Amino acid sequence: NAGVTQTPKFQVLKTGQSMTLQCAQDMNHEYMSWYRQDPGMGLRLIHYSVGAGITDQGEVPNGYNVSRSTTEDFPLRLLSAAPSQTSVYFCASSPAPPSGLALQETQYFGPGTRLLVL
Amino acid sequence: RKEVEQDPGPFNVPEGATVAFNCTYSNSASQSFFWYRQDCRKEPKLLMSVYSSGNEDGRFTAQLNRASQYISLLIRDSKLSDSATYLCVVNTVNQGGKLIFGQGTELSVKP
Repeated sequence: NAGVTQTPKFQVLKTGQSMTLQCAQDMNHEYMSWYRQDPGMGLRLIHYSVGAGITDQGEVPNGYNVSRSTTEDFPLRLLSAAPSQTSVYFCASSPAPPSGLALQETQYFGPGTRLLVL
Repeated sequence: RKEVEQDPGPFNVPEGATVAFNCTYSNSASQSFFWYRQDCRKEPKLLMSVYSSGNEDGRFTAQLNRASQYISLLIRDSKLSDSATYLCVVNTVNQGGKLIFGQGTELSVKP
């Protein structure tokens, strides 16, 4: 199993450009999520999905779109990049959504994408 | 007030020391609690889940105090390889199922 994979590893964008961060998992996990990590802020949830065709907003969704057409893939789209979106982005998956069953909630993270917006 | 709060540190300790981290959470309906470890410039990885009765995994002990809404992690006999950032994570089932991460506590173990 490759686990959770993310591409690209690094990206530099100019303000106003759009791009898609790719995320894929091969563990047949139902729950997938995107986080951004900034110094002193911890990981903040952007969007999440409880299964194919179902997505919802997290804590900081503005400026980002997601879709979940398959169980395996959960791409994150930046519509018009801004310097405030400079961050490290992590995709994660787990067997099930947060439900009180700790074993089902364990998050498996991808290696991250480092994004710089100029 | 942040939903999950941790002392950011850094905690600088010598090898062999015992170190404890605390984490407080604000949502009394939270049901699941975790400690994750994150090495520099790497992704977070699960260290251990935290159960109501407390649990131990080798040199690591996790405790949960629901009444006071805090979680602790104790590391005994610290190793150089324990140097990392430790993230406290809490679920929020009554808010649509989300995991809330604390900002992390940095640990540096010195020779």
